[in-house]
Amino acid sequence: QVQLVQSGAEVKEPGASVKVSCKASGYTFTNYTMHWVRQAPGQRPEWMGWINVGNGNTKYLENFQGRVTITRDTSASTAYMELSSLRYEDTAVYYCAREVAGKRYFDSWGQGTLVTVSS
Amino acid sequence: DIQLTQSPSFLSASVGDRVTVTCRASQGISRDLAWYQQKPGKAPKLLIYAASTLQNGVPSRFSGSGSGTEFTLTISSLQPEDFATYYCQQLNSYPLTFGGGTKVGIK
Repeated sequence: QVQLVQSGAEVKEPGASVKVSCKASGYTFTNYTMHWVRQAPGQRPEWMGWINVGNGNTKYLENFQGRVTITRDTSASTAYMELSSLRYEDTAVYYCAREVAGKRYFDSWGQGTLVTVSS
Repeated sequence: DIQLTQSPSFLSASVGDRVTVTCRASQGISRDLAWYQQKPGKAPKLLIYAASTLQNGVPSRFSGSGSGTEFTLTISSLQPEDFATYYCQQLNSYPLTFGGGTKVGIK
C-alpha cells in the first residue's frame, strides 16, 4: 500500500533552515507529483509547492518564493522540503502529499512533521 | 487567489443526524473541489473529489454536490467516527487553497 513516511520533529531558532524528508513506498515514485502542505496550530492547511518527481520541475507559492526549496532523490524514493530564514510564524506541521494524476488533489499524505521555531 | 469560505465553522450534532457543510468559492471553479476529513494529530484524509465523486473506501453516507461557487458536503447519518474537522480544497488554479474548516462536535 502507498506510504509516505516523514522525518521527525524539529526545533529551530529564528533565521535557521529546516529540511524535512518524505520517503515514499508502495508505488512508482517517479510517476506522481509530490506536494508540500503546512498547517499552523488551529489553522487551515496552506499549500506550499510541488515537485514533478519524474523531471524535477517545481512550483512554489509566491509567498515562499526564495525561502522554500523542494527536491527529490529518485534513487531513495524520497522528497525533501527545505525552508530557510525561519520565522516564528513558520511553526507548523508540514505534510508531504501525493497528487492524483494531474488532478491537484491528494490521495495520500505523510504523517506530518512538526517544526517549531523558537529562541 | 481563490478564497474558500466554509460554514458553519463549528456544529454540534448527535449520532444519526444528517449534517451539511457548505463551502463557497470567491469565483467560479466549475466542479474543481475536494473534501477532506481531519482528526486531531492526523493528516487530512481525502473523502470526495470533483465535487461529488467518492474516494475509494469512503462510506456512502458521505456525499458532495455543487458547482461554480457553492458546494456542500453531506453526511447522511453521522457515526461516532465522523466527529472531526472537514476542509474543502479548490483544484481549479494555483495557488491551491483550503477552506477554513468545519469542526463537527458531539452534541
